[in-house]
Amino acid sequence: GNSVTQMEGPVTLSEEAFLTINCTYTATGYPSLFWYVQYPGEGLQLLLKATKADDKGSNKGFEATYRKETTSFHLEKGSVQVSDSAVYFCASRGDAGNMLTFGGGTRLMVKP
Amino acid sequence: EPEVTQTPSHQVTQMGQEVILRCVPISNHLYFYWYRQILGQKVEFLVSFYNNEISEKSEIFDDQFSVERPDGSNFTLKIRSTKLEDSAMYFCASRGVTSVLSEQYFGPGTRLTVT
Repeated sequence: GNSVTQMEGPVTLSEEAFLTINCTYTATGYPSLFWYVQYPGEGLQLLLKATKADDKGSNKGFEATYRKETTSFHLEKGSVQVSDSAVYFCASRGDAGNMLTFGGGTRLMVKP
Repeated sequence: EPEVTQTPSHQVTQMGQEVILRCVPISNHLYFYWYRQILGQKVEFLVSFYNNEISEKSEIFDDQFSVERPDGSNFTLKIRSTKLEDSAMYFCASRGVTSVLSEQYFGPGTRLTVT
């Protein structure tokens, strides 16, 4: 079956630091890949996605590239802000386009 | 911007009691989902629902669980006899039909505490 593994948190950074959150996946076929963000007290929001190999998803300064050769979809941001503090979830969805498979989530804390 | 809503935000119940978690998906969406997240663990898929029937379910979704779309707007998850291990955050999601690649929109979740 499909699975997603992401680095455990919490990740604590100072404002303007560079962020990487690692995510790897196992899947049959060609899954679509997603990053969701959960701000305190809120639901999961789609941050970015990529649907095929070498696609780069980007949004709000975050980006991730679908790497089929390394089965990875690492999330990066060049300069984090305090407002980026949240829990980030990597997820995959199979060819059938139905259920999402999530990683364990990574809590990011950005200090001023 | 349209959004998925869920009620209540927090539900406390005693073991063995029935609970119904409610969701109002985005109005023109036709695919509906329930996920749950036990504290400190992964978000796990429970069930998907389309055209008034379950289209896929996980091993977690046993006979104690059921889903229903009782009217044109609500989508409910019922747990018949709650257990302590049902304590979790339950997320509802919905998806449109424009493309199989369209995203799932999530609600804010209902925290269920079984005592």
